[in-house]
Amino acid sequence: GQNIDQPTEMTATEGAIVQINCTYQTSGFNGLFWYQQHAGEAPTFLSYNVLDGLEEKGRFSSFLSRSKGYSYLLLKELQMKDSASYLCATLDSNYQLIWGAGTKLIIKP
Amino acid sequence: NAGVTQTPKFRVLKTGQSMTLLCAQDMNHEYMYWYRQDPGMGLRLIHYSVGEGTTAKGEVPDGYNVSRLKKQNFLLGLESAAPSQTSVYFCASSSKGDGANVLTFGAGSRLTVL
Repeated sequence: GQNIDQPTEMTATEGAIVQINCTYQTSGFNGLFWYQQHAGEAPTFLSYNVLDGLEEKGRFSSFLSRSKGYSYLLLKELQMKDSASYLCATLDSNYQLIWGAGTKLIIKP
Repeated sequence: NAGVTQTPKFRVLKTGQSMTLLCAQDMNHEYMYWYRQDPGMGLRLIHYSVGEGTTAKGEVPDGYNVSRLKKQNFLLGLESAAPSQTSVYFCASSSKGDGANVLTFGAGSRLTVL
């Protein structure tokens, strides 16, 4: 079957670094996405990885290892506004998105 | 630039009532989607459309119908609402030419069925 696993909740301190992991098992693979969703709002696109390695975009970086079925989202210099849920999703062989349940990130001062 | 607009934002229904959720996008996107989001679960695809006049079933289509008569609009209908359809519904769109298939979401519609 198809499955995406990510931690339900994480807590981190303002100014610190946090890594949110995502493991996946899907039928075929055409890329992995990270979206950010603030409470009561729509998900917004953060990153897309289709090749192995690290993609850096400002304070946020996303890593992919296709052989391990593993990705992580790295957030640096955490700010209070980074408190949100982070959704991992993969694009399967039929180009359908498979979504994880999301990781709720709580930032403490 | 409005992006993706959903109406209504909130609605309370009684079991057996019907309603339609409206989604409009002004980005000239070919693809449109309806998802539901429930606590502790990933987004689940209800129905989607790859172009005007076309629709297809997603992962959880039962109890819902859709129509895409115009490219910019995608309607989600509930013919006889059930408490299990209490959820937050998100409409999204994406461009056919975007290999990464990045979705732009609407703000969501919170539906409660009593």
